[in-house]
Amino acid sequence: GESVGLHLPTLSVQEGDNSIINCAYSNSASDYFIWYKQESGKGPQFIIDIRSNMDKRQGQRVTVLLNKTVKHLSLQIAATQPGDSAVYFCAENRSGGSNYKLTFGKGTLLTVNP
Amino acid sequence: EAEVAQSPRYKITEKSQAVAFWCDPISGHATLYWYRQILGQGPELLVQFQDESVVDDSQLPKDRFSAERLKGVDSTLKIQPAELGDSAMYLCASSLSGQRSSPLHFGNGTRLTVT
Repeated sequence: GESVGLHLPTLSVQEGDNSIINCAYSNSASDYFIWYKQESGKGPQFIIDIRSNMDKRQGQRVTVLLNKTVKHLSLQIAATQPGDSAVYFCAENRSGGSNYKLTFGKGTLLTVNP
Repeated sequence: EAEVAQSPRYKITEKSQAVAFWCDPISGHATLYWYRQILGQGPELLVQFQDESVVDDSQLPKDRFSAERLKGVDSTLKIQPAELGDSAMYLCASSLSGQRSSPLHFGNGTRLTVT
């Protein structure tokens, strides 16, 4: 069935390096995507979102890229810090319209080594 | 920064018992969501409220799960009877309006263990 998935379940990087977390989606009707960060024992925390009419959006140290042709989403974290260690989820809006219903992928565990 | 409050933080219950979780959303947030997160997976929507009305409960196992938001503020999710497969993190989230431009804010969840 259609689902939001991730290429890699784990990612390990050195402190100060850039991190790239990938996500594939299969529903071409999805028009809104969000990245969440979830630290151990906490709920997901909103990082950044992007609409399907955009290819790129930047936040503080984070950039989201959307490639609709291959249905691929990525989250780039610049100068990764130990505090960035967490599970990262991409989520897509499947219902369309203005009221959105998010569907989450399985997540990527990011580990930052000092 | 305002937060979504959930209690209890942890709950251990025996199979076939009843269990209830409580959520207090951020003040002024009209939309409230209950998600279930199995270890190692992403959250899955159980039910969505707009004020006191259920907007979407298509994924809620209604034979054993119930949810209410009587005054359109705080909410309770109940499981009766609990089954072993219900062991998971139950997350509550809220947003201003349920619109795409209004992101979800999550609480820290209730970790349920059914023995």
